[in-house]
Amino acid sequence: DTGVSQDPRHKITKRGQNVTFRCDPISEHNRLYWYRQTLGQGPEFLTYFQNEAQLEKSRLLSDRFSAERPKGSFSTLEIQRTEQGDSAMYLCASSLFREEAFFGQGTRLTVV
Amino acid sequence: AQTVTQSQPEMSVQEAETVTLSCTYDTSESDYYLFWYKQPPSRQMILVIRQEAYKQQNATENRFSVNFQKAAKSFSLKISDSQLGDAAMYFCAPGLMNAGGTSYGKLTFGQGTILTVHP
Repeated sequence: DTGVSQDPRHKITKRGQNVTFRCDPISEHNRLYWYRQTLGQGPEFLTYFQNEAQLEKSRLLSDRFSAERPKGSFSTLEIQRTEQGDSAMYLCASSLFREEAFFGQGTRLTVV
Repeated sequence: AQTVTQSQPEMSVQEAETVTLSCTYDTSESDYYLFWYKQPPSRQMILVIRQEAYKQQNATENRFSVNFQKAAKSFSLKISDSQLGDAAMYFCAPGLMNAGGTSYGKLTFGQGTILTVHP
């Protein structure tokens, strides 16, 4: 296993379009997290899954955002009707119980 | 809610010297973890060191050590014998444990400190 992988690495989209990002966690990790990071800032928590259950969503996650982890393995984050303010790095991380989170390399979204 | 303050936006150090990065936080939780993560330019976030809040002994990991002052809610990172590869953005991040003692890794990150290492 090579760690947490995210796809795509970069995405440029026009305002108003929908985008979907994928995260494949480390295989034995049952916890998966999404964060958003803007340039020069620390990541901000968006949402968390334990297996397939989405246990918490941040207020940052507006109605245009939805995340799924259908079989408790990979996860997708969809943004509908993208806005320029959605431009950021979207980070995925995974962990085991009582263990530190391992991060992927992120998906950089640019909304033009 | 947790807040994290890293008061040093940028720090620099000479190769082989020692540097300390500061972090203060505020939390109403009694049990939690604290992490320092490193993010090199255009590279992924990597764990540097972890401290359990219930442990009084400061964590060490090779050249990296922390000074954890629970009462003061302070968690600084000391890097000894700095190397060029240590250059990165460093983030302090408390992680919650809920009432059931289950850490679910929701991290609150500080604003980060950019560390430059001069040869």
